[in-house]
Amino acid sequence: SQELEQSPQSLIVQEGKNLTINCTSSKTLYGLYWYKQKYGEGLIFLMMLQKGGEEKSHEKITAKLDEKKQQSSLHITASQPSHAGIYLCGAVKMDSSYKLIFGSGTRLLVRP
Amino acid sequence: ETGVTQTPRHLVMGMTNKKSLKCEQHLGHNAMYWYKQSAKKPLELMFVYNFKEQTENNSVPSRFSPECPNSSHLFLHLHTLQPEDSALYLCASSPRDRGMDTIYFGEGSWLTVV
Repeated sequence: SQELEQSPQSLIVQEGKNLTINCTSSKTLYGLYWYKQKYGEGLIFLMMLQKGGEEKSHEKITAKLDEKKQQSSLHITASQPSHAGIYLCGAVKMDSSYKLIFGSGTRLLVRP
Repeated sequence: ETGVTQTPRHLVMGMTNKKSLKCEQHLGHNAMYWYKQSAKKPLELMFVYNFKEQTENNSVPSRFSPECPNSSHLFLHLHTLQPEDSALYLCASSPRDRGMDTIYFGEGSWLTVV
């Protein structure tokens, strides 16, 4: 089974709507990264969360890490077409040498 | 522009060919990575280098041969690949291969094996 589960797998929203993407692990995480990827291109770093309960914001995107450090959410407020892409969560596991693993990604489409 | 440059962006090769992917970072980082991204699969870590030394080989077949001549350059030598090796290969770098440093990715090299 996949170590990092992302939901939903895909999402279509109307421009201006809010949305949330979730990333869940069955094990405690050392830290959690959020990246955005345009199809066929590299990953653009969005945010990194390390402390339980931590929350960070950048422009209209907010990411949170729960207290147990097993779940993170990415929230986009008033979505725009420029937010479209694939959102990937990545995490460093606590029971391994430094190995950054990724979820399968959430494909977001924002309709104008 | 993330400071990590990959060439070529697209590569088509036959199963008997030998080719290489190149990655260069201008960020002064000491750790570099190769990841593989296939359709419908999560991003897979292949290799990790720290200060030119390989610190992780994630059970990658020997037809993929990495080379890290210095902390700024990373190569992935390819030979006798299979069609299922067709994928987007991403290079990344970070200050170290430990801790929670931000990892920066290149644009990727699309590889098609025919």
